[in-house]
Amino acid sequence: NAGVTQTPKFQVLKTGQSMTLQCAQDMNHEYMSWYRQDPGMGLRLIHYSVGAGITDQGEVPNGYNVSRSTTEDFPLRLLSAAPSQTSVYFCASSYGGFDEQYFGPGTRLTVT
Amino acid sequence: AQTVTQSQPEMSVQEAETVTLSCTYDTSESDYYLFWYKQPPSRQMILVIRQEAYKQQNATENRFSVNFQKAAKSFSLKISDSQLGDAAMYFCAYTRSGNTGKLIFGQGTTLQVKP
Repeated sequence: NAGVTQTPKFQVLKTGQSMTLQCAQDMNHEYMSWYRQDPGMGLRLIHYSVGAGITDQGEVPNGYNVSRSTTEDFPLRLLSAAPSQTSVYFCASSYGGFDEQYFGPGTRLTVT
Repeated sequence: AQTVTQSQPEMSVQEAETVTLSCTYDTSESDYYLFWYKQPPSRQMILVIRQEAYKQQNATENRFSVNFQKAAKSFSLKISDSQLGDAAMYFCAYTRSGNTGKLIFGQGTTLQVKP
């Protein structure tokens, strides 16, 4: 089991560029989420999914899009990168909504 | 809206001693779950302990235990016999009933363990 994988580990973008952060899990988990981590603010939920084809917004969804076409994959798209999106991004998955969430290793994104 | 507050940005403990990290939360729900996650310098998030709100008994996992006070909306983590490997950032988190998997995190507490 690879668990939750994220690519890339590091990324530098220029303002206005778009990109997709990849997330995959091989545990057959229904629940998947994207968080961003900023100093002094903990982790904040961007978008989440309770199953293939079902997504919803979290606390800070603006500037991000998601889709969930398969159980395994949950990509996060930045439409037009802004310096405010400089952060560390974590993908997580869980079997049920109340269960332990398994986190990927994170992606450090810098927008200049 | 639900909120989670960790009022101690940094804590330190001597190796082999005991330390308690504080967490308070605000919710109008009666059924929910609380978690403590550890994030070492490697950045990997690791579950430490999980508490179901409807259970009176405090959860324990080896050297880690919680003091869950539902009426006071308090959920502190006690680490006994602290080890150098316990040095990390610790996050308290909450999820409500409704089975959405939406976790709300506190700001985090950085724990330093002194040899």
